[in-house]
Amino acid sequence: DQQVKQNSPSLSVQEGRISILNCDYTNSMFDYFLWYKKYPAEGPTFLISISSIKDKNEDGRFTVFLNKSAKHLSLHIVPSQPGDSAVYFCAASESSGTYKYIFGTGTRLKVLA
Amino acid sequence: GAGVSQSPRYKVTKRGQDVTLRCDPISSHATLYWYQQALGQGPEFLTYFNYEAQPDKSGLPSDRFSAERPEGSISTLTIQRTEQRDSAMYRCASSLGSGAYNEQFFGPGTRLTVL
Repeated sequence: DQQVKQNSPSLSVQEGRISILNCDYTNSMFDYFLWYKKYPAEGPTFLISISSIKDKNEDGRFTVFLNKSAKHLSLHIVPSQPGDSAVYFCAASESSGTYKYIFGTGTRLKVLA
Repeated sequence: GAGVSQSPRYKVTKRGQDVTLRCDPISSHATLYWYQQALGQGPEFLTYFNYEAQPDKSGLPSDRFSAERPEGSISTLTIQRTEQRDSAMYRCASSLGSGAYNEQFFGPGTRLTVL
């Protein structure tokens, strides 16, 4: 049973517009969430995270929103750039003394020039 | 080192053979993780180490899978009597310490193909 779901396998966005990537989770014990970005032939790299005590975290062009009641988080990229084209993985964890990241299946973002 | 490295990058083997994959974590990192990533899926946790201790092996799919980190740095993942369903990308990650807030840095992975 998939505890972290990314229901959109792919997304295409025009350069300069907003990209919105979505992620849903089922385990109410998750309280720390991350987004990883992956380019071809490379390992995933950390992008941004959010703790459940917050509902928004912003880092430059990247903002992650968390809706705990809906068990939903989203990553907004504004403005989108061609270099943002990659696979984005959502991950979740229980922060209290644990270590496991549970990953979603990923969303492939293509930013069109 | 500058980042997490893994070797080999690609491994093709015949069903029934044993394979050993290697991970070289970032030198200051105490914690090391192994993940398995099937095509079109996200990484799935296999096991992790704090230095040489292996507190959790719960993600290892069968007793054919084992991992070691004898000196608390380099780690190996061994799959005995490989089966076609073992074909996947095997990813290693390391972090300064265990716990969710310690960012995990991933290596490029080893793509294993079992014929």
